[in-house]
Amino acid sequence: LAKTTQPISMDSYEGQEVNITCSHNNIATNDYITWYQQFPSQGPRFIIQGYKTKVTNEVASLFIPADRKSSTLSLPRVSLSDTAVYYCLVGDMKGEYGGSQGNLIFGKGTKLSVKP
Amino acid sequence: NAGVTQTPKFRVLKTGQSMTLLCAQDMNHEYMYWYRQDPGMGLRLIHYSVGEGTTAKGEVPDGYNVSRLKKQNFLLGLESAAPSQTSVYFCASSYPTSGAVDEQFFGPGTRLTVL
Repeated sequence: LAKTTQPISMDSYEGQEVNITCSHNNIATNDYITWYQQFPSQGPRFIIQGYKTKVTNEVASLFIPADRKSSTLSLPRVSLSDTAVYYCLVGDMKGEYGGSQGNLIFGKGTKLSVKP
Repeated sequence: NAGVTQTPKFRVLKTGQSMTLLCAQDMNHEYMYWYRQDPGMGLRLIHYSVGEGTTAKGEVPDGYNVSRLKKQNFLLGLESAAPSQTSVYFCASSYPTSGAVDEQFFGPGTRLTVL
């Protein structure tokens, strides 16, 4: 599985746009890029997934350049409630541990702190 | 829908004791997973199951056993607990997605302390 590198922490203020970049130089052809969000004392929650170019949903956008060696999660106009840890994951349908499903490897993530 | 639920929420064990963590999901998902999360770390996969009656090892399976007797339940067992197993345990489930990586739905976690 491709190794990912993210900043350990980021600070922002309410109303700002936040961009969190993830590096994955060894991404494979079949790998997808997925982002999860985790609040304290809760399990992670899926935010967005993409393969190339740009993906947008109601909460975030994901930008993936042509070489796919990095990706950027963009959170528009953050609020205090967006304070959480954000994980970037790269993997495909055939997980490292075999089987017919995609195993996910969570790194340490990026701790985003939003201030008033 | 309750989603993914975990029982118990908290537990304190003494070294050498055994216990079983229960995960239940009501989304009819085929796949289920057990992760552990240690302070400052991401989640690490312990065991997973791709269907009723099947289990497989993940990244850190030693010291744990699992069973998937019913599709909706996935049990994680510690036969002889050790302090190194002090952690927060998360269960997750997913439905196989064609052409992409499954979205996993996580439970609220079980905080286990082994003294």
